Amino acid sequence: SYVLTQPPSVSVAPGKTARITCEGNNIGGKSVHWYQQKPRQAPVLVIYDGGDRPSGIPERFSGSKYGYTATLTISRVEAGDEADYSCQVWDSPTEHFVFGTGTKVTVL
Amino acid sequence: QVQLVQSGAEVKKPGSSVKVSCKTSGGTFSSYTLSWVRQAPGQGLEWVGRIIPILDIPNYAQNFQGRVTITADKSTSTAYMVLSSLRYEDTAVYYCARALEIGSSWFMDYWGQGTLVTVSS
Repeated sequence: SYVLTQPPSVSVAPGKTARITCEGNNIGGKSVHWYQQKPRQAPVLVIYDGGDRPSGIPERFSGSKYGYTATLTISRVEAGDEADYSCQVWDSPTEHFVFGTGTKVTVL
Repeated sequence: QVQLVQSGAEVKKPGSSVKVSCKTSGGTFSSYTLSWVRQAPGQGLEWVGRIIPILDIPNYAQNFQGRVTITADKSTSTAYMVLSSLRYEDTAVYYCARALEIGSSWFMDYWGQGTLVTVSS
């Protein structure tokens, strides 16, 4: 089955840039989506189709992809960005949703 | 505005079944695809399965094949997930979410509030 690997944790100071990676075989051929989840809350879509933002998501959130790695970048990090972040792709051969292992972002 | 409202928390014994509902409002239910995702304590998100109500066709993650049934009632705009033969490790928060297709990919844009299912003897 298809696997997406993320670092368990990323720490960043307020005002700096956080980068969260998501690695998967042939991820370059897939559209990557990203979710933010705060404690005891449902996930929230922050990036879809690699780099598009839903209404209400700040421009500070952006997505990119290079080789086997997709990246969610959070610029000018704020305390309110502290959360878990998960990537997700659609695995066409199996028609399954696949989530990454998740990354906890800590704002120092 | 699309809203998904799930049923309340459940406590079940090992070997039994649980049924979780997800009532939707806003948008056109028949045009949705509804997915179920679970999150065990301290763990990441795990996809359970989905259903396309207009076609009444479900598909399930391999880990749940044979134990999960997802249905949709178009008359009440409600989706259901039944998980049977419950084990302690099925203790988790179960979310329903609306899934949208873009190109050849799918993602989830609206989520329910989650339902805690606890398996305990």
